[in-house]
Amino acid sequence: NAGVTQTPKFQVLKTGQSMTLQCAQDMNHEYMSWYRQDPGMGLRLIHYSVGAGITDQGEVPNGYNVSRSTTEDFPLRLLSAAPSQTSVYFCASSYFPLGVYGYTFGSGTRLTVV
Amino acid sequence: AQKVTQAQTEISVVEKEDVTLDCVYETRDTTYYLFWYKQPPSGELVFLIRRNSFDEQNEISGRYSWNFQKSTSSFNFTITASQVVDSAVYFCALMRGANSKLTFGKGITLSVRP
Repeated sequence: NAGVTQTPKFQVLKTGQSMTLQCAQDMNHEYMSWYRQDPGMGLRLIHYSVGAGITDQGEVPNGYNVSRSTTEDFPLRLLSAAPSQTSVYFCASSYFPLGVYGYTFGSGTRLTVV
Repeated sequence: AQKVTQAQTEISVVEKEDVTLDCVYETRDTTYYLFWYKQPPSGELVFLIRRNSFDEQNEISGRYSWNFQKSTSSFNFTITASQVVDSAVYFCALMRGANSKLTFGKGITLSVRP
């Protein structure tokens, strides 16, 4: 059971480049979400999805796009990377409504935009 | 609006000391869920506990205990006889109803010195 798999683990981008952070889960969880973690800020919700074909914005959605074509995958797209998007990104999934154990998190993607 | 406040940012203790991590939350909902997560230096997020708003029983799991008090909107976490392996960032989080969107506090960095 792989849980939540995020790729890549590390990435360096130049300002203006685009890229996609991948997230896949094999637990048949309906709910998936993306958070970013910045020093002293905790984790902030970027986008989330309660099922295939359904997405919505979180607290800090600007500069990011998502789609959910399958239950398993929830990619996060940076359209034109900016230094302010330098962060650690976590993907998380859970049953919906909430399961007993809350979220399962991926291991994170450390993104640096130069 | 939901809010989680972890007023302590950094705590340093000597091994075997007891330490309490504070968490104060704000919500207008009558049904909500509270969580604690641990983030060790390796970076992954580890689920520790979930507590429902309608269950104010305190919880003990080995050296860990949690004190939930609705009257003061607090959900504090105590580590008894701390160990070096307890060194980590600890996040408190709040979820309204069962809609699965977690609001995190900013985290507390705990350092346990040998």
